Amino acid sequence: EVQLVESGGGLVKPGGSLRLSCAASGFTFSSYSMNWVRQAPGKGLEWVSSISSSSSYIYYADSVKGRFTISRDNAKNSLYLQMNSLRAEDTAVYYCARGIIAAAGTNAFDIWGQGTMVTVSS
Amino acid sequence: EIVLTQSPATLSLSPGERATLSCRASQSVSSYLAWYQQKPGQAPRLLIYDASNRATGIPARFSGSGSGTDFTLTISSLEPEDFAVYYCQQRSNWSYTFGQGTKLEIK
Repeated sequence: EVQLVESGGGLVKPGGSLRLSCAASGFTFSSYSMNWVRQAPGKGLEWVSSISSSSSYIYYADSVKGRFTISRDNAKNSLYLQMNSLRAEDTAVYYCARGIIAAAGTNAFDIWGQGTMVTVSS
Repeated sequence: EIVLTQSPATLSLSPGERATLSCRASQSVSSYLAWYQQKPGQAPRLLIYDASNRATGIPARFSGSGSGTDFTLTISSLEPEDFAVYYCQQRSNWSYTFGQGTKLEIK
């Protein structure tokens, strides 16, 4: 079964750090780009970051650039998000999502994890 | 940044009816437009990618159309499990944005 399982969420104070992990199974992890998408409570979806299959290309939303770092370990089938200088507005459920492989390119996310909640509050 | 505007914000229909959801982009996104369904407490599920391609396992009652700036998700005959929030999403220059969502509720 194709599966993504996030972990590492929790309560952190403003200015603090947290590292999220996403464990992949049931597919050839090293062949896919991976992504983080977040959703603040009661709000819509916001793309956070993407990393290509070999880590050659990395992209961030402006809202997290310079504070968050995406990485992956293909040998461990794992995706990570290091979050520093956290703010109240970073409070959200964080989803890892697989980039679809399609003829037109990676334009959508076809597999999602169940999400992990990050709360930034004093 | 490309902004996606979805309409209506809320759509009230009955099972068996046809649903038409709209997504408009602030500039052309070619055909790089996807649709997702999200139910309360669940992760989003990909329905349509590249404007009109159904994702694996998605029923034929879901269809997508459009190109450039105007896109439509159509559900031909609503099933009880289709009542949820729907998001459109675009990719441009390795940046992705989502629309604000359309809530499809039971009338």
